[in-house]
Amino acid sequence: GAGVSQSPRYKVAKRGQDVALRCDPISGHVSLFWYQQALGQGPEFLTYFQNEAQLDKSGLPSDRFFAERPEGSVSTLKIQRTQQEDSAVYLCASSRPEGTVRYEQYFGPGTRLTVT
Amino acid sequence: SQKIEQNSEALNIQEGKTATLTCNYTNYSPAYLQWYRQDPGRGPVFLLLIRENEKEKRKERLKVTFDTTLKQSLFHITASQPADSATYLCALDGNQGGKLIFGQGTELSVKP
Repeated sequence: GAGVSQSPRYKVAKRGQDVALRCDPISGHVSLFWYQQALGQGPEFLTYFQNEAQLDKSGLPSDRFFAERPEGSVSTLKIQRTQQEDSAVYLCASSRPEGTVRYEQYFGPGTRLTVT
Repeated sequence: SQKIEQNSEALNIQEGKTATLTCNYTNYSPAYLQWYRQDPGRGPVFLLLIRENEKEKRKERLKVTFDTTLKQSLFHITASQPADSATYLCALDGNQGGKLIFGQGTELSVKP
């Protein structure tokens, strides 16, 4: 498809389990972002990739959060030993077609994570 | 620290009227500002981008202003329709590769 896709759309995890969230960005987009959105709030930045390089991970809340984009396309956000405070919607966005400096971001539908 | 504030209360207006949403920021000098629309259960959708050297930008029924002295952006929807009902997010560039800093969003409800 033409848009950003994320899977799974919903994930329920027991506290202490590890989870992996997948993002398929728009083909040819150089930049990829992960955001966390709590209910009733705006998205909060987690981490950013330019191609396969993770250039900014300042928003990751703890060392339990890890993201990768090994081939500069698909990205995975992994959360180890999930805690209840990790419950949120995780949004992926891509931007900047190769050779451009366009900054608008295209978001996927998000993965709603519930930790019980 | 950087702070972005949008109208905290939901905005309810009558169909056909102009909706005006406010975004204020402090401790920051963004190179550009963006507005997104978000419907329940969906990701944000890009609407408009305005740069620091632009005062106003229009797209169909949408208009955005950017006052870097007041540190404020206004987002207008003219001739509003019930289909415009959604949450609208203001976002500033984080000056580091394009990451965005979002406001908390304003929920707009347009009644027929």
